[in-house]
Amino acid sequence: SYELTQPPSVSVSPGQTARITCFADALPKQYAYWYQQKTGQAPVLVIYKDTERPSGIPERFSGSSSGTTVTLTISGVQAEDEADYYCQSADSSGMYVLFGGGTKLTVL
Amino acid sequence: EVHLVESGGGLVPPGRSLRLSCAASGFTFNDYAMHWVRQAPGKGLEWVSGISWNSGTTGYADSVKGRFTISRDNAKKSLYLQMNSLRAEDTALYYCAKDEGDLEYYFDYWGQGTLVTVSS
Repeated sequence: SYELTQPPSVSVSPGQTARITCFADALPKQYAYWYQQKTGQAPVLVIYKDTERPSGIPERFSGSSSGTTVTLTISGVQAEDEADYYCQSADSSGMYVLFGGGTKLTVL
Repeated sequence: EVHLVESGGGLVPPGRSLRLSCAASGFTFNDYAMHWVRQAPGKGLEWVSGISWNSGTTGYADSVKGRFTISRDNAKKSLYLQMNSLRAEDTALYYCAKDEGDLEYYFDYWGQGTLVTVSS
């Protein structure tokens, strides 16, 4: 098995840039996906296949990948971006889907 | 517009069974794989199970393998999760999630969830 490791929390002031990392160990690199979950709501996909942004997601959300670490970047953070963010990956050879532990983004 | 509506949750004693359902609308159900993802109170997301468009491929998390069974009825546009031998640690909000394709293994739409509480 393998794990996806995220920092438990990240704090930024409005207008600053937030970066949330996700480290994948042991598994050959698969695509990573990012979800935003606001309190009391279902998750929403914000980044897919490392860097792609679904329609309707603001341009300030972007993704990048380097080695075994993927990063979600939110540029010009707004108060409405305060949420939990989860990275996710999968081993397509055996339907093994894994989420990171989640990162709570606080907008100060 | 895609809609996923879960039902069937409730309070159940340990060792008993429960069957969750997910009614889908707004897309061609039989073109997509479907999944169940759960979230224990105050905890993170955990993938539970997934099924391909034609039910030919299914997968389970180790934590539920042998106890839970996923199925679907394409004619009824419905997804199911049969949960047997329930344990306290199965207590969670269970989300139905649509795969972006047929086993692309990521989720572009989610329902609002149905709460399962396992307690005596």
